[in-house]
Parts: sequence; structure tokens; C-alpha cells
Amino acid sequence: QSALTQPRSVSGSPGQSVTISCTGTSSDVGGYKFVSWYQQHPGKVPKLVIFDVNKRPSGVPDRFSGSKSGNTASLTISRLQAEDEADYYCSSYAGSYTYVFGSGTMVNVL
Amino acid sequence: EVQVVESGGGLVKPGGSLRLSCAASGFPFRDYSMNWVRQTPGKGLEWVSSISSFSTLVNYADSVRGRFTISRDNAKNSLYLQMDSLTAEDTAVYYCARESGMEYFDLWGRGTLVTVSS
Repeated sequence: QSALTQPRSVSGSPGQSVTISCTGTSSDVGGYKFVSWYQQHPGKVPKLVIFDVNKRPSGVPDRFSGSKSGNTASLTISRLQAEDEADYYCSSYAGSYTYVFGSGTMVNVL
Repeated sequence: EVQVVESGGGLVKPGGSLRLSCAASGFPFRDYSMNWVRQTPGKGLEWVSSISSFSTLVNYADSVRGRFTISRDNAKNSLYLQMDSLTAEDTAVYYCARESGMEYFDLWGRGTLVTVSS
């Protein structure tokens, strides 16, 4: 049950795109389509932004998109806005009613 | 309003015990699997434990297995986490999280802080 690997931080200017990677193993990210992403602003509760690798919940802007290739999932934020500055965590189902989260990535909007 | 509200956190000495509760409202609690997720101050999220809708399936993170026990009371719309043999490494905000049915967490509480310190 090792945490999924994410970059510590990524940065971009308003209007640009940033991509966050999330690397696991064939026992989690690579083995299931159940990858989700959560946005967390300081002092706030995590908020779901992507589920099932690439689906957006109602109310999440289409600037947020997800993908997966092998054991690595990715979250892309297009047309970056100041309000996107937050921590982002990936999560994957890992079988047998267990889950694993990523180490978290801080998105900085320059 | 659809929500889950945690309670029971506090300061406890190493080796001590604590029982967290999560009160659910606004949705059919018995229809959902529930989870505990924790977050160490200033650090990342860690899945702790899950329990199926009728308690037939439970599981734990390796870091807490044998020390923590998850349970639920569908009649009271409540989820619990009994935490024993606590260590400083268990210091965290503990979130109650609803599992959507599709292996993601779609409803989170505001969390309750557990501090393990002498």
C-alpha cells in the first residue's frame, strides 16, 4: 500500500495548461479504471474533480480533464485560473476494498 | 442537506484509545459503503479503512490493521472508528467519506483532529 507518486509541485501562468502525473503499479492505477482526482484548497475539504479516469462531476469546469496510460494517470488543467491554485491528489482503487492516494501536488498559478 | 459530520477527535496519550463517530444525513446511509481517510497536518491524504453497506466487507490500511476497527450502525445513520494503541504517527485530521458506488469518494465531512502526544 505505497502512496501513488505525484510531482511535489507544478506551476503555470494564467491561461496556460499544466499536467499532473500519478504513477502507481499494475495492482492499482494500471489494474483498474477507478482513478479519481481531488482538489483541496488550504484549510478546506477535498473536492472531487475527476472520477473513472476521465469523467467530470457536475459543476466541475471542462478545463479539468483526465487520462491514463499503463500505470500512470494524469490530470490536465487547461486555461489555468488563479482559483485553480490548490493541492491535487489522485486516488485509485487497489482491489479487495482498498484504496490508495497519491502524495499530492501543489499547483502554483504564477 | 446531504452531509456527514465527524466527531470524537481530541488529544490522547501514546498507547491510548479514541472512538471517532460520523453522523450521516440527507441520503440513504444504508445504501453506501463508507470510509475513513486521514490527513497528517501539512501532508497528504491516506486511506484508512472501508466498510460495505451492511458491514459484510471491511478492510484496513496496513498502517492501522490490528489497531483500528471500523463499524457502522445503519439504524443510527452512523459510522465509527475505534482506534487503539495510538502512536504519534496517527496524529491527523480524520475524514469520513462516502464511497459513491463507483470506487471514488463523493462526499466528505469537515474532519476531526486527533492528536497523539504525551
